Amino acid sequence: DAGITQSPRHKVTETGTPVTLRCHQTENHRYMYWYRQDPGHGLRLIHYSYGVKDTDKGEVSDGYSVSRSKTEDFLLTLESATSSQTSVYFCAISERDRETQYFGPGTRLLVL
Amino acid sequence: SQQGEEDPQALSIQEGENATMNCSYKTSINNLQWYRQNSGRGLVHLILIRSNEREKHSGRLRVTLDTSKKSSSLLITASRAADTASYFCATGEIQGAQKLVFGQGTRLTINP
Repeated sequence: DAGITQSPRHKVTETGTPVTLRCHQTENHRYMYWYRQDPGHGLRLIHYSYGVKDTDKGEVSDGYSVSRSKTEDFLLTLESATSSQTSVYFCAISERDRETQYFGPGTRLLVL
Repeated sequence: SQQGEEDPQALSIQEGENATMNCSYKTSINNLQWYRQNSGRGLVHLILIRSNEREKHSGRLRVTLDTSKKSSSLLITASRAADTASYFCATGEIQGAQKLVFGQGTRLTINP
């Protein structure tokens, strides 16, 4: 998986708790993305980053925030987890805008 | 909203046969990409075709792009059991934000 790691790989949490997922890359790519994947919805973009401290919203950003203080790390925070945020979360990186993306292994999140 | 729409949603064929998947999109694009996802794993980039290209090959994969019809097809020749996976198209829009837009995928099953 092209120098991309995600942590944790699995997490179970309770409704109302904050959760932070981490994406770490060793490729020095400029662009980083967070997606969620749910049955029947395909892959949906949550937030993305086009540089350190530069982020923008995707199509399903409500309830999520992100931060990127270093090129290699992109954090996704669920401010107050809800059951509807139970999903598989993928991080991806890209060297150039709208070009090939490389995906991490995913994080399975279960919100009870 | 999803730009790429794959067709069919599911495809089941015998090993050795060819598999064809189609993708339609709505706006002007810079490029179109195909990705594969094995069950429980992240997406893997297969091939990228630019808007000024009509056909591209990579091993047993052949991708065509018809910008007048806003459609693309992915052909996998001489299929193998290991080709069983979901296949997604993704488009890089000319006027869009710095991101790809993914379709919902075609689930391909290769029967031995």
